[in-house]
Amino acid sequence: EVQLVESGGGLVQPGGSLRLSCAASGFTISYYWMSWVRQAPGKGLEWVANIEQDGSEKYYVDSVKGRFTISRDNAKNSLYLQMNSLRAEDTSVYYCVRSRDGNNYDAFDIWGQGTMVTVSS
Amino acid sequence: DIVMTQSPDSLAVSLGERATINCKSSQSVLYSSNNKNYLAWYQQKPGQPPKLLIYWASTRQSGVPDRFSGSGSGTDFTLTISGLQAEDVAVYYCQQYYSTPPAFTFGPGTKVDIK
Repeated sequence: EVQLVESGGGLVQPGGSLRLSCAASGFTISYYWMSWVRQAPGKGLEWVANIEQDGSEKYYVDSVKGRFTISRDNAKNSLYLQMNSLRAEDTSVYYCVRSRDGNNYDAFDIWGQGTMVTVSS
Repeated sequence: DIVMTQSPDSLAVSLGERATINCKSSQSVLYSSNNKNYLAWYQQKPGQPPKLLIYWASTRQSGVPDRFSGSGSGTDFTLTISGLQAEDVAVYYCQQYYSTPPAFTFGPGTKVDIK
């Protein structure tokens, strides 16, 4: 079964750091662009960042540039999101997602169940 | 960035009737070189992650019932649910994946309920 499983969420104080992980199974992530998408409680969806198959290209939404870093380990079939200088507005469920068909500019066909990040003192 | 808007914010439809959701982008998401609209539709049920329904504006994802259809081009798009079922109660989002460099934006969502 094709699956993405996120971990690493939790409660963190403003200004703190957290590292999210996403383990893929049932497919090899090395063939795909991968992204993180977040959803604040009761709100809509926001794309956060994505990364090319070999990790050489990375893109971020403006609100996280300089604070978040997306990375991947194809040997471990895993995706990561290092989040630093966290703010209250980063409080969200974070989803690991796959871009379909190996393309960057494509829809997101596989979604994880999400991991909750709460930034609060 | 391309801004996506959806209408209505919510709608209630009787079982078996048609539900229509509109999505508008602030600029065209039609790529002229391949004549593809870089527009997707997702369904999100409570407590679940979103699920891809439609990509390239009108191509149904594998396994999605054929009562779901997408149409439109350029800046105006529609998701139609023909014959609403109880299991279709959800929030529906459109998304553009046209922006270069990537800044994939979603619409605010449309909530669909049973009347």
